[in-house]
Amino acid sequence: AQTVTQSQPEMSVQEAETVTLSCTYDTSESDYYLFWYKQPPSRQMILVIRQEAYKQQNATENRFSVNFQKAAKSFSLKISDSQLGDAAMYFCAYLGAGNQFYFGTGTSLTVIP
Amino acid sequence: EAGVAQSPRYKIIEKRQSVAFWCNPISGHATLYWYQQILGQGPKLLIQFQNNGVVDDSQLPKDRFSAERLKGVDSTLKIQPAKLEDSAVYLCASSLGVGVTGNEQFFGPGTRLTVL
Repeated sequence: AQTVTQSQPEMSVQEAETVTLSCTYDTSESDYYLFWYKQPPSRQMILVIRQEAYKQQNATENRFSVNFQKAAKSFSLKISDSQLGDAAMYFCAYLGAGNQFYFGTGTSLTVIP
Repeated sequence: EAGVAQSPRYKIIEKRQSVAFWCNPISGHATLYWYQQILGQGPKLLIQFQNNGVVDDSQLPKDRFSAERLKGVDSTLKIQPAKLEDSAVYLCASSLGVGVTGNEQFFGPGTRLTVL
């Protein structure tokens, strides 16, 4: 089974600053998808950003961007101009040919005013 | 567009009791997922439906957990009998299942289960 590792249980960032959340994964597949999900305290998970492994260009969604390093099996999330509403648990997830999602253990992000 | 609905939002039961959770996915979504999220951990897939057929239930503890998706729409997840270690949030998610963005999952608010 694939594994997804988030080595930072907790992170904090000053409002308006930039923070990077780390994620590594283990797979032998060449074609797969990677996701970052956000889970605010209300617990409803929402998709932040998605990356297809066959695309070399890093995905970007407004203030959110990823650094996808396929050879290193690394998929970090950069949040620019952090806002108070960005405070949440962030989960990295992998979807491969088996069509099953594998989630990491999450990183709790605190935004300091 | 209405999101994924789940009920109840909270449930407290004693061990060895039974409990059932309900999920109504987004209209038109063929794929439905049930996840278990224990405090401090990421969601773990319990079962995945494609329409009303089971795609993957390899991590469902079948001696006590069961799930069904009648008519390919709503789904129920049942635990009978519950154990202390079943205390968790149970998340339901749905996706279109087809197309370029068909694998994007939309999550419901979850049901927080406490087993005493």
